[in-house]
Amino acid sequence: GNSVTQMEGPVTLSEEAFLTINCTYTATGYPSLFWYVQYPGEGLQLLLKATKADDKGSNKGFEATYRKETTSFHLEKGSVQVSDSAVYFCALSAPNTGNQFYFGTGTSLTVIP
Amino acid sequence: DAGITQSPRHKVTETGTPVTLRCHQTENHRYMYWYRQDPGHGLRLIHYSYGVKDTDKGEVSDGYSVSRSKTEDFLLTLESATSSQTSVYFCAISESTGYTYEQYFGPGTRLTVT
Repeated sequence: GNSVTQMEGPVTLSEEAFLTINCTYTATGYPSLFWYVQYPGEGLQLLLKATKADDKGSNKGFEATYRKETTSFHLEKGSVQVSDSAVYFCALSAPNTGNQFYFGTGTSLTVIP
Repeated sequence: DAGITQSPRHKVTETGTPVTLRCHQTENHRYMYWYRQDPGHGLRLIHYSYGVKDTDKGEVSDGYSVSRSKTEDFLLTLESATSSQTSVYFCAISESTGYTYEQYFGPGTRLTVT
């Protein structure tokens, strides 16, 4: 079946620290992979995506590389800011599933000044 | 901005009462989804629709029904609300980018069942 596993939170970092949030997946076929971000009181927003192996998605200083050999899509940012405090969700969309998405449980990030 | 609105944004209701949540989109998207978000569970799919009057069940559909009589509106109904249905409910649409589909979300409805 299709599923996503991401690291448990919460994660607390100091401003300018390096961020990694781990995400691994199980999928039939060749999925597309996504990271979404949710700020307090809001819906999920698409942060970045990758549609095939070795693709790197990037946006707002965040990056993630689609690693087929390790079935991973880890989110990284070199220097976090207080404004990055949010919940981050890893997700996949598998072919032939009626456009269904499968989400991880979310990782809460708090960045302190 | 995918033009998705949800109403109401907040609702408190009593156990056993029916509740209907509305999702409205303005861009003629074919696919629409209802999720619930709970701590420790992430997002779980309740029902989805792939066209007017075409719907299917998701992972956690028990106790919920949906209807889609117009492209722009997707309604989620709790026939008899229970405390276990206290949650935040999100509507989403799928949009094709050519290579894949992306999902875009509404702002959510916080439902409390007392």
